[in-house]
Amino acid sequence: SQQGEEDPQALSIQEGENATMNCSYKTSINNLQWYRQNSGRGLVHLILIRSNEREKHSGRLRVTLDTSKKSSSLLITASRAADTASYFCATDAPTGNQFYFGTGTSLTVIP
Amino acid sequence: ETGVTQSPTHLIKTRGQQVTLRCSSQSGHNTVSWYQQALGQGPQFIFQYYREEENGRGNFPPRFSGLQFPNYSSELNVNALELDDSALYLCASSLFSGVETQYFGPGTRLLVL
Repeated sequence: SQQGEEDPQALSIQEGENATMNCSYKTSINNLQWYRQNSGRGLVHLILIRSNEREKHSGRLRVTLDTSKKSSSLLITASRAADTASYFCATDAPTGNQFYFGTGTSLTVIP
Repeated sequence: ETGVTQSPTHLIKTRGQQVTLRCSSQSGHNTVSWYQQALGQGPQFIFQYYREEENGRGNFPPRFSGLQFPNYSSELNVNALELDDSALYLCASSLFSGVETQYFGPGTRLLVL
């Protein structure tokens, strides 16, 4: 399976701290995306990084991609209570018409 | 808000019954993908429809079927429901069938008793 695996499974931090979560995958990809999900609702797209990119920023988010290690990390800086959610990485299939989601990291930001 | 809507929001069925879930894509999007998300797990790809044709399928049995209509709204049909079909069902629309950002609806939570 190409499914990504996030690490850690759960993370609890104080508001204002940085949160880092990692994603590993098994086969070559074209792109990797990170999504957020609040309380079992729909997923919200956060950021897409292409296989020829190594780092990307969006607001308080920083994503890195290491294709040689088949891994990615998502850094949320200066966390807020509203960042409490589950975070998933999604990798694309070789055909590019489906995504494989990992098992997610549950982030709790304590006010 | 992503502009993707799903109905119903919740549904309770009994084993062996059939269910139809509906999804309205974001305006202008011609591709819809369906996912099953069991409690505590990541979404699992069921299938994708592009311009009314199935365009990829995950590891789900044939009793999971779908339709996409000319207005790009979509249905997911599940026959002969099993207890393990209890899950959150998510649809996601995108502009093209290739690798693009997917916009997810809020999901339909199905409980099979």
